[in-house]
Amino acid sequence: ETGVTQSPTHLIKTRGQQVTLRCSSQSGHNTVSWYQQALGQGPQFIFQYYREEENGRGNFPPRFSGLQFPNYSSELNVNALELDDSALYLCASSPFFANTEAFFGQGTRLTVV
Amino acid sequence: QQQVKQSPQSLIVQKGGISIINCAYENTAFDYFPWYQQFPGKGPALLIAIRPDVSEKKEGRFTISFNKSAKQFSLHIMDSQPGDSATYFCAASAYNKLSFGAGTTVTVRA
Repeated sequence: ETGVTQSPTHLIKTRGQQVTLRCSSQSGHNTVSWYQQALGQGPQFIFQYYREEENGRGNFPPRFSGLQFPNYSSELNVNALELDDSALYLCASSPFFANTEAFFGQGTRLTVV
Repeated sequence: QQQVKQSPQSLIVQKGGISIINCAYENTAFDYFPWYQQFPGKGPALLIAIRPDVSEKKEGRFTISFNKSAKQFSLHIMDSQPGDSATYFCAASAYNKLSFGAGTTVTVRA
């Protein structure tokens, strides 16, 4: 167990809808990153939050957005869902001032139909 | 584009054998290289990691070899066990952001 918890574990949405995924980071970690993992592929970096500010973004459109709260928990929001958004969404927490261990949650499996 | 190239895509090894997974990168800004193990339906779990000032790191049955000049690194799993059957991802980190390889599915036959 990493101490990173994500909710919900699974959900099904219809194309065009909006979805919010949640993540609680490991105690003492102030940086949260989100990754998208399509079936059979490695995780792809979406964005990172530090001290409630976005701190880097991967190659994802603006309909992917996020928030970080003062307790370092985070949300990932996806608007106008597309079929290709179906994936496992992973949250990882880590300390900021080092390239050091990133601990992943169990993920949220999103299916868009 | 894939910043970290991983091979092979899959491998089968007998119990007690050695599994070897290779990765290569181009971006010299990478300065932390972790390996993750992932079971179906679970998130990736950190297995072992290395920094580029070290050429080898061993933890139990898992060893990372790192060649900075060639921009290559590899994972060796010694004395492979059926419980090691999983997908393994190499990754490289720059500014605390991970770039993953495509993964290697390891099957250990009893």
